[in-house]
Amino acid sequence: KQEVTQIPAALSVPEGENLVLNCSFTDSAIYNLQWFRQDPGKGLTSLLLIQSSQREQTSGRLNASLDKSSGRSTLYIAASQPGDSATYLCAAQAGTALIFGKGTTLSVSS
Amino acid sequence: DTAVSQTPKYLVTQMGNDKSIKCEQNLGHDTMYWYKQDSKKFLKIMFSYNNKELIINETVPNRFSPKSPDKAHLNLHINSLELGDSAVYFCASSPARGGGYEQYFGPGTRLTVT
Repeated sequence: KQEVTQIPAALSVPEGENLVLNCSFTDSAIYNLQWFRQDPGKGLTSLLLIQSSQREQTSGRLNASLDKSSGRSTLYIAASQPGDSATYLCAAQAGTALIFGKGTTLSVSS
Repeated sequence: DTAVSQTPKYLVTQMGNDKSIKCEQNLGHDTMYWYKQDSKKFLKIMFSYNNKELIINETVPNRFSPKSPDKAHLNLHINSLELGDSAVYFCASSPARGGGYEQYFGPGTRLTVT
């Protein structure tokens, strides 16, 4: 049964720092891995989708990598800003549904 | 031109009542989902429909009954509401079932049972 773990659970950084959020999954037979952002009391915003055949995806200051063999994905955020403060969720798709981690809550101070 | 919409956004009701949450997608997708986010913010799949056919039914009390009148709509009906049903319910859709397709989420419905 697929399990997804995100470390750390919470992270506080000063503005301008580069940071890495980690996601690990137990079953490497995934179709894709999706990173989401969730603001307090809000819905999910899809950030990046990495297909199983891909190694990384980039969007602006965000870069997500995928290593299926080790069961890991990372989300790299460059030059963090206070507006990046949110909870970041990763989700692995092994069947039809997404299996979510519990998220990393990021706080970027100005 | 919202892609995945849900109504209502907030729902406050008493224990024992029956309520419904509606979801509509205008993306032309074949597959729709209901996810539940509990008080600890953990998201889990509940149901999935593909072209009006139920394809995923996780371990959910049978007080929860999804209904898909057409492939653009997936509603969730909950009977005899309990305190533990308080959560945020998210609807999502994807172009087709199976792997490789991005899922698009609605804004969520925050259900509070008192």
